Amino acid sequence: AQKVTQAQTEISVVEKEDVTLDCVYETRDTTYYLFWYKQPPSGELVFLIRRNSFDEQNEISGRYSWNFQKSTSSFNFTITASQVVDSAVYFCALRTSGSRLTFGEGTQLTVNP
Amino acid sequence: GAGVSQSPRYKVAKRGQDVALRCDPISGHVSLFWYQQALGQGPEFLTYFQNEAQLDKSGLPSDRFFAERPEGSVSTLKIQRTQQEDSAVYLCASSSLGSLAKNIQYFGAGTRLSVL
Repeated sequence: AQKVTQAQTEISVVEKEDVTLDCVYETRDTTYYLFWYKQPPSGELVFLIRRNSFDEQNEISGRYSWNFQKSTSSFNFTITASQVVDSAVYFCALRTSGSRLTFGEGTQLTVNP
Repeated sequence: GAGVSQSPRYKVAKRGQDVALRCDPISGHVSLFWYQQALGQGPEFLTYFQNEAQLDKSGLPSDRFFAERPEGSVSTLKIQRTQQEDSAVYLCASSSLGSLAKNIQYFGAGTRLSVL
């Protein structure tokens, strides 16, 4: 069975602070994919990044960066110099050989001006 | 269309009523998924179509839930005899290929169902 844990339910920061969202996953499969999605108040889940289990190279995209460590089964997401527009719920998700995405409970990020 | 479109955005139903939720996937997308998102939780898988074939319906919570995609494009999720515990946001997603694990699922804005 697959499981994704996002231990941080809510995080509140002041604009321009850096913030890291934690994600820990469980799976017995050796081939899997990890995803991060953003859900703004409008409700639509917006895809941010996909990473496969064979690629542990960290990635940076603008103010976003991701740290994937198989040894600790973690796939953490960092926003540098946060902005008010980053306020949203962020979901980490896992997909193995089947069709479904298994989501974590989400982390509500609030960036205050 | 440019993205996944769902209608209605909001639906209020009296307990016991039947409801139908519509999903218009991204044009050309073969795969279509339905998820249920309870308040304050992550989405949970309901069912999956590849073209018109429903390949996985293991997440449907009861036989009151029924989904179809007769022509391999638009899909409808039907809930019969709604109950209060059915209140949730129902999200639809589509992807361009089959059930490969790497495929990105693109989501619509969801239908918020409130059962009174």
